[in-house]
Amino acid sequence: TQLLEQSPQFLSIQEGENLTVYCNSSSVFSSLQWYRQEPGEGPVLLVTVVTGGEVKKLKRLTFQFGDARKDSSLHITAAQPGDTGLYLCAAPMEYGNKLVFGAGTILRVKS
Amino acid sequence: NAGVTQTPKFRILKIGQSMTLQCTQDMNHNYMYWYRQDPGMGLKLIYYSVGAGITDKGEVPNGYNVSRSTTEDFPLRLELAAPSQTSVYFCASSYGGLDGYTFGSGTRLTVV
Repeated sequence: TQLLEQSPQFLSIQEGENLTVYCNSSSVFSSLQWYRQEPGEGPVLLVTVVTGGEVKKLKRLTFQFGDARKDSSLHITAAQPGDTGLYLCAAPMEYGNKLVFGAGTILRVKS
Repeated sequence: NAGVTQTPKFRILKIGQSMTLQCTQDMNHNYMYWYRQDPGMGLKLIYYSVGAGITDKGEVPNGYNVSRSTTEDFPLRLELAAPSQTSVYFCASSYGGLDGYTFGSGTRLTVV
């Protein structure tokens, strides 16, 4: 059982469509991070959200942290082929600055 | 600015062989980590270190060992390779606090 559940597992859409992916947990977290991973590479940090209800925007990507700090969403507007990749959410565990990762959402944007 | 460098990128091992996955970072980060990534399972923490000379087990440490003699280097040792260790291994480092991880580009290991 994953501490962080991500949905959907896989998403295939056409260029220009909008989409939302989710990261849910029964635990409360002090912060949450989103990463994007391209094939053959390591994950790259996109954003860190800290405050319940917080919304952060990164160009066409909008990240939201749930009011109760148990869940988060990533919304992409007008998806482009360059958005293709594995999107991972991660949250801190206790001592040691350790992160626990969700299983990820594989996004494929077709042109 | 190299960031986190992992070597090798690919390796095939026979069952029972040993190897060391190398990881070095040039950002003077205190925190370093080893994760393995299997399809559909996300990243699982193997070992981590909060500074030179200090290491601790993560979620899936069996079959692995680490050392941290310097701030820069954090090698991962597989002593008796088993097919269950076939995976992609990622090393990461962090400044701590709310800073995210910087990952290396990974080592794809196959044990046959």
